[in-house]
Amino acid sequence: GAVVSQHPSWVICKSGTSVKIECRSLDFQATTMFWYRQFPKQSLMLMATSNEGSKATYEQGVEKDKFLINHASLTLSTLTVTSAHPEDSSFYICSATAGSEVYFGPGTRLTVL
Amino acid sequence: GNSVTQMEGPVTLSEEAFLTINCTYTATGYPSLFWYVQYPGEGLQLLLKATKADDKGSNKGFEATYRKETTSFHLEKGSVQVSDSAVYFCALTSGGYNKLIFGAGTRLAVHP
Repeated sequence: GAVVSQHPSWVICKSGTSVKIECRSLDFQATTMFWYRQFPKQSLMLMATSNEGSKATYEQGVEKDKFLINHASLTLSTLTVTSAHPEDSSFYICSATAGSEVYFGPGTRLTVL
Repeated sequence: GNSVTQMEGPVTLSEEAFLTINCTYTATGYPSLFWYVQYPGEGLQLLLKATKADDKGSNKGFEATYRKETTSFHLEKGSVQVSDSAVYFCALTSGGYNKLIFGAGTRLAVHP
């Protein structure tokens, strides 16, 4: 089946730095990708919808200047957490659509010290 | 707006016990309903889905029926295994768009 990868799988950074997370669809083209965050023992909360070649659509309460999303090609979307703080520590998950099917990446665990 | 409510966990069962995880939803229009599973250390995987009322989704011994009259999509399995231990998420999409709305997740622990 279709595979979605994320890189890195985990990252630890200092407060105030920026972190970029990549989401790739390995064997299919994804016109739409979604970014979620998941706090420990909680559900996935949709952060934004990313369409190739256009600006991302952010969910209410998500700061677009803090969570920069770029969807430059049909196989790659990136999420950059700018000026990260400890409260940004979370599990970030992307998904990509192929037709009516949705495929999830394995997630990236971000820890901000 | 659209939302999903599922029973709180954790659910702890012995092997071969019967499993039910309740899920109800609120949605405009005619949503598609899903169950996803997240095994320890892994990403979400689609377990089953149903796209219209009275459809039954099934996979790996799990099944769920789309009940429009009760706005429910309860997950069931007749005999659980230790390998079924995971977190299960009920979810929906609405409006022909693949934007998933998730429930809080229910952790299942199955003991030998």
